[in-house]
Amino acid sequence: ILNVEQSPQSLHVQEGDSTNFTCSFPSSNFYALHWYRWETAKSPEALFVMTLNGDEKKKGRISATLNTKEGYSYLYIKGSQPEDSATYLCAFIDTDKLIFGTGTRLQVFP
Amino acid sequence: IAGITQAPTSQILAAGRRMTLRCTQDMRHNAMYWYRQDLGLGLRLIHYSNTAGTTGKGEVPDGYSVSRANTDDFPLTLASAVPSQTSVYFCASSPGTGGRSYTFGSGTRLTVV
Repeated sequence: ILNVEQSPQSLHVQEGDSTNFTCSFPSSNFYALHWYRWETAKSPEALFVMTLNGDEKKKGRISATLNTKEGYSYLYIKGSQPEDSATYLCAFIDTDKLIFGTGTRLQVFP
Repeated sequence: IAGITQAPTSQILAAGRRMTLRCTQDMRHNAMYWYRQDLGLGLRLIHYSNTAGTTGKGEVPDGYSVSRANTDDFPLTLASAVPSQTSVYFCASSPGTGGRSYTFGSGTRLTVV
């Protein structure tokens, strides 16, 4: 089983700040990287599935980039809002199953 | 409404008892998964099934078993529960392996006492 690491573990920002998190994964035998948003007391919800080196995906104020050669992905949130408060998970495909990182917990204060 | 249904929502279970957590999906997804969520450890894969009739072990399979008799159902059984199996259990599914996002159920909170 391969390791997926996320940093930072937690982040506190003010409303309106832009922020970003990192996901590191093994760069060999890359297939796909997933990002999920997980609000407290809810289920994880898919944000992005990224498969190509150099991929950049965007959903509203949230975007993600992918570097498969060096084994990292960044998630960016522009102009954070309190409703962005959640844990953001990245996950890496190991053979045929998804292995999750421990997440970055974001809290946005008004 | 299409999605994944997990039951029960929560359960308190005496140690040594047998328990089956149910998971049903109506999206005709081929692949299904069971994860457990523990503080500081994130989501860890227990067992998975890429298609009906097949199953595989994840990161933490010991003490758990699964079956996949059909496409829709993927029950998780604890044969003899222990306190370390206290956790929140999430079932998930995807159309295939790898390149498609997962859909998660709402979770089962299990406390083993």
